[in-house]
Amino acid sequence: DTGVSQNPRHKITKRGQNVTFRCDPISEHNRLYWYRQTLGQGPEFLTYFQNEAQLEKSRLLSDRFSAERPKGSFSTLEIQRTEQGDSAMYLCASSPNLNTEAFFGQGTRLTVV
Amino acid sequence: QQQVKQSPQSLIVQKGGISIINCAYENTAFDYFPWYQQFPGKGPALLIAIRPDVSEKKEGRFTISFNKSAKQFSLHIMDSQPGDSATYFCAARSKDTGNQFYFGTGTSLTVIP
Repeated sequence: DTGVSQNPRHKITKRGQNVTFRCDPISEHNRLYWYRQTLGQGPEFLTYFQNEAQLEKSRLLSDRFSAERPKGSFSTLEIQRTEQGDSAMYLCASSPNLNTEAFFGQGTRLTVV
Repeated sequence: QQQVKQSPQSLIVQKGGISIINCAYENTAFDYFPWYQQFPGKGPALLIAIRPDVSEKKEGRFTISFNKSAKQFSLHIMDSQPGDSATYFCAARSKDTGNQFYFGTGTSLTVIP
């Protein structure tokens, strides 16, 4: 499968626990995005990487959220001290350059209980 | 503030009919307008996209009409099929921010056999 891969697909965690999601972009795509989608809404931008550099962060990305892309390939999104409001689908997307479309992964559905 | 406004929220169409979904925006810096199709539990999949220098783009049964002066664009699905039943999102990207896609709130399309 050469598409964007996200793991795990589903995660249930207790409030206050830390969780980490992984995204493997399409090979040689240097741009990687994280979005969050709640039920009945469109995806909302969280952050963006060009290679290993994190170039943009949304106001939605509170101090409890951190994202990395250490070698410019896969990326991780960590949420510390999870809250029930963090329950959502977390989507990763990648694109080869600025002037092309972004391809999304299947997402990681997080449920905080 | 919703950067891209999408309507209708839901749409029911008979098989073989035409489905029309509309989006509007205000930011004149937007320079790329994709449409995504999303099935339950899946990530958004790119359907078709257009740039503002073109008034119409057609790919198979899917057509984007773009009205730059009115800052509106729409998706037309010709000969709608039950397999087209999904949620559709319009989106826009700003050349100013460069990397962030702004999504509409989605249209749930149901095609009745």
